[in-house]
Amino acid sequence: AQSVSQHNHHVILSEAASLELGCNYSYGGTVNLFWYVQYPGQHLQLLLKYFSGDPLVKGIKGFEAEFIKSKFSFNLRKPSVQWSDTAEYFCAVTTDSGGYQKVTFGTGTKLQVIP
Amino acid sequence: KAGVTQTPRYLIKTRGQQVTLSCSPISGHRSVSWYQQTPGQGLQFLFEYFSETQRNKGNFPGRFSGRQFSNSRSEMNVSTLELGDSALYLCASSFAVGSSYEQYFGPGTRLTVT
Repeated sequence: AQSVSQHNHHVILSEAASLELGCNYSYGGTVNLFWYVQYPGQHLQLLLKYFSGDPLVKGIKGFEAEFIKSKFSFNLRKPSVQWSDTAEYFCAVTTDSGGYQKVTFGTGTKLQVIP
Repeated sequence: KAGVTQTPRYLIKTRGQQVTLSCSPISGHRSVSWYQQTPGQGLQFLFEYFSETQRNKGNFPGRFSGRQFSNSRSEMNVSTLELGDSALYLCASSFAVGSSYEQYFGPGTRLTVT
């Protein structure tokens, strides 16, 4: 069965610090990869996604992620965080399961940015 | 385009009762998925409906059930509520075309079981 691991459960950074959140998955076949963000009191929303092509994908608000197939990883990065990036971040993987996509989410990483 | 809507937004029930939550997907979306979100557990997948058929199910007891109507609206039912069922229940819809499985989430229903 596929699984997604987010090893950092709670990250605290100062503004302007660089961010990297880890995401590893276990599945040997083709995957689609997503990062979702949940700002306090708001809906989960898509940050970025990878389906194919360039393994470095850019999302909204200056976020990017790199798919490294050999490491089964899809880490999220941002060069300089802002207080407004305080949120919970979820990595998700979809795999083909008999003609439709099966989705698995990680347990999330809470990011707190200190002004 | 209107987003995913969920009703009610908040609910307080007592142990042993049953509850029904409702989700209206984005117009044109035929796939609706339900998740349970709790602190430390992240999003736990409950089930997915597509064209009124359940095509995927997570590891939850049979007390959790759902259905989808012909207009793609979906309901989730939890019978014989337990304290541990207290959570935020999220609904997500998707157009589900090919591999483009981007999900759009609703605001959730906050269920508290006392």
